[in-house]
Amino acid sequence: NAGVTQTPKFQVLKTGQSMTLQCAQDMNHEYMSWYRQDPGMGLRLIHYSVGEGTTAKGEVPDGYNVSRLKKQNFLLGLESAAPSQTSVYFCASSYDPAGQSTDTQYFGPGTRLTVL
Amino acid sequence: RKEVEQDPGPFNVPEGATVAFNCTYSNSASQSFFWYRQDCRKEPKLLMSVYSSGNEDGRFTAQLNRASQYISLLIRDSKLSDSATYLCVVSRYLTGGFKTIFGAGTRLFVKA
Repeated sequence: NAGVTQTPKFQVLKTGQSMTLQCAQDMNHEYMSWYRQDPGMGLRLIHYSVGEGTTAKGEVPDGYNVSRLKKQNFLLGLESAAPSQTSVYFCASSYDPAGQSTDTQYFGPGTRLTVL
Repeated sequence: RKEVEQDPGPFNVPEGATVAFNCTYSNSASQSFFWYRQDCRKEPKLLMSVYSSGNEDGRFTAQLNRASQYISLLIRDSKLSDSATYLCVVSRYLTGGFKTIFGAGTRLFVKA
């Protein structure tokens, strides 16, 4: 049982390049989300999904796209990377969206992205 | 104003000390409350949920005051291993989805 895994762990991009961050969970969770964490800002929700085939925008969705083709995978895409997207990205999953119950969100180890 | 605000850190305390963290939230429709712990360069992990009646887990006690929109975390008999950043998390449902807000975190250093 690996929990939540993310690839890659580190990435350096040039402005304008594209890439996809991958997230996988083996806990059969319905809910998955992507956050970014910047110094002094706390984690901010980018996009989330309440089930396979569904996605929704979070607090800071601009410049990102997501896909949830399979229940266990949630992909975050950057179509044209910008220096403002330099951050640490965390994927999280939970059985039920927080608020319905006191349900734990399980986080992946993070991806450190630098855009030059 | 941020929707979830926490005490500015860092807190530097000796081993064995009692330390308290405070957190305020601005949206009265908030429904669920949590404390997460995040070690340096690691992912956040749930420390404990926070209930209106207050709850305790070993050396950790969490309190919620809905009227004042205030959450607290008390750590008794601090250990070196308690050194971390503590995140206050608040969540509520929106139509068609939900919203979870993380505080910026309070850094704790416990020294020998």
